[in-house]
Amino acid sequence: DAKTTQPNSMESNEEEPVHLPCNHSTISGTDYIHWYRQLPSQGPEYVIHGLTSNVNNRMASLAIAEDRKSSTLILHRATLRDAAVYYCILRDVWFDGGSQGNLIFGKGTKLSVKP
Amino acid sequence: GAVVSQHPSRVICKSGTSVKIECRSLDFQATTMFWYRQFPKQSLMLMATSNEGSKATYEQGVEKDKFLINHASLTLSTLTVTSAHPEDSSFYICSARDHMEGTSAKNIQYFGAGTRLSVL
Repeated sequence: DAKTTQPNSMESNEEEPVHLPCNHSTISGTDYIHWYRQLPSQGPEYVIHGLTSNVNNRMASLAIAEDRKSSTLILHRATLRDAAVYYCILRDVWFDGGSQGNLIFGKGTKLSVKP
Repeated sequence: GAVVSQHPSRVICKSGTSVKIECRSLDFQATTMFWYRQFPKQSLMLMATSNEGSKATYEQGVEKDKFLINHASLTLSTLTVTSAHPEDSSFYICSARDHMEGTSAKNIQYFGAGTRLSVL
């Protein structure tokens, strides 16, 4: 799977939008872009994923650049409960046989939300 | 969304004892489950891939005789840390995919809440 680059940390104010960037300049045409987040002392949870078009769900929006070399996770109104580490992960549509398509986690972006 | 239940959430044990961690998919079947380990302030590292009805596949550097994995059914995988030592203290997290979704890269991966192991 191609590599992603994210800022180590970001800060946001409560009830303001947050834009979390992710660079993936070596993305292949068959890579999906996945976002997961991990709240303190918990397992990761799925946030959103996409391939080419922008995506929206109840948690967030995913904006994907036209060349797909970067993407941005958008939290429309940050709450204190959104404070977590956010991981941007690429997953190839063709799994390799050994690890069967498990998610490979980088360091992610630690989001702090100020009241 | 689908739920993965992991038990226990926390365990404290003496050095030399064995600890079993259970991972269950509550409302879906999972032919494949994954076990991760996370040390403080670090990211998740895959330890092994658990396959229902067959042997687990371990990542490089993970001792298969120390971390025993059993995936006896489509809804249960267990990780046993044998002869635990203080350096095994960590946060262990299991994960599963709904096998009805096939092997698509679109698949969402569901995670348990994790087990914090402290070995004294």
